[in-house]
Amino acid sequence: QSALTQPPSASGSPGQSVTISCTGTSSDVGGYNYVSWYQQHPGKAPKLMIYEVSKRPSGVPDRFSGSKSGNTASLTVSGLQADDEADYYCSSYAGGNNLLFGGGTKLTVL
Amino acid sequence: EVQLLESGGGLVQPGGSLRLSCAASGFTFSSYAMSWVRQAPGKGLEWVSAISTSGGSTYYADSVKGRFTISRDNSKNTLYMQMNSLRAEDTAVYYCAKDVRDGYNYPPFFDYWGQGTLVTVSS
Repeated sequence: QSALTQPPSASGSPGQSVTISCTGTSSDVGGYNYVSWYQQHPGKAPKLMIYEVSKRPSGVPDRFSGSKSGNTASLTVSGLQADDEADYYCSSYAGGNNLLFGGGTKLTVL
Repeated sequence: EVQLLESGGGLVQPGGSLRLSCAASGFTFSSYAMSWVRQAPGKGLEWVSAISTSGGSTYYADSVKGRFTISRDNSKNTLYMQMNSLRAEDTAVYYCAKDVRDGYNYPPFFDYWGQGTLVTVSS
């Protein structure tokens, strides 16, 4: 099983919106509504931002939203803030015991 | 407050063994599936293993199947990972993580993570 494909970097200015993509196949992203997104600041543990494609855990601001079209999932961060600067990882169920992660995207707030 | 505290990491030679522990508090441990996720230095996340609430169902990534064993003791609120036949590519920070949903669910989504314990496999 190959990792999901994410762009290595993304950027935006404060207040703007940025979208991070996560591309898989019909055997993972496209086949199940089990996509999640994690935020990780340097030296810290990851934080769940989105699960089951578009659900937000309690405490996650609605500036973060998730969606999926075909084999590609997306995380949109609107109203960018300085603290949003972090690495973001997508994850998808891939059948059987398989749970895949993407390679990560470094989000820079300009 | 949910807390997950990993321990047991360290330096081990290739072919050696380690046992990781994760002490949980601040939630009803027996009601949530748990997992181990690792991150090699400077690399991305890799799911390693998951276990159901009772411990009756376990799941492993192909990369560790047959070498790692996940278990839990609900009376002690503790998650374990027995790691045998360790390889250099197992070098990583190992996180224990809690499922966001209670009950028996697969796949898991991880809403709380520990701070991780570093496992280094080297001669």
